[in-house]
Amino acid sequence: EAGVAQSPRYKIIEKRQSVAFWCNPISGHATLYWYQQILGQGPKLLIQFQNNGVVDDSQLPKDRFSAERLKGVDSTLKIQPAKLEDSAVYLCASSWWDIDEQYFGPGTRLTVT
Amino acid sequence: EDQVTQSPEALRLQEGESSSLNCSYTVSGLRGLFWYRQDPGKGPEFLFTLYSAGEEKEKERLKATLTKKESFLHITAPKPEDSATYLCAVHTGRRALTFGSGTRLQVQP
Repeated sequence: EAGVAQSPRYKIIEKRQSVAFWCNPISGHATLYWYQQILGQGPKLLIQFQNNGVVDDSQLPKDRFSAERLKGVDSTLKIQPAKLEDSAVYLCASSWWDIDEQYFGPGTRLTVT
Repeated sequence: EDQVTQSPEALRLQEGESSSLNCSYTVSGLRGLFWYRQDPGKGPEFLFTLYSAGEEKEKERLKATLTKKESFLHITAPKPEDSATYLCAVHTGRRALTFGSGTRLQVQP
């Protein structure tokens, strides 16, 4: 079974620029999550999708972050404009249902200079 | 607000020296407690899910237990390949997963 795919793996941008991350979940998984992991901390949930719909985006900074899930499969997370404090690893995860164990991708390491 | 606290922050063991990692939580309506392992540069890897107090699960040298206020991850006779960051997370009715900051384990040969 193929795992969760993410791209790019690394990205360096200047502050005020925009950036987008892509995620392809495990086939058949209805639930998709985006997390932000700052160095030395645990992952923090940004947004949770169930199929096409948003279940929880209470911790997503909506003034600069946006996310969508295309046809209930792939997802993109965008930051516009980026700030220095957005430097982190952005993890995508998926699960069959929201109570099930989540499977994580390798993450995208974002550096904002 | 849901809170998850892991201790110690870092732990160094000799190969074969057993120990336990702690995860204490303050949540309303626990639906499940999850343990993950994270290697440098990789995403977290699922280890266990515990659903109710008194439940125990084992996998190789790892054993996870759950009480009403905390969970322990016991590592028996660890090997250098067990070196990683171990993350604890809780699933509640309000949020899918809230993670602790993790315990960085180093096992020296």
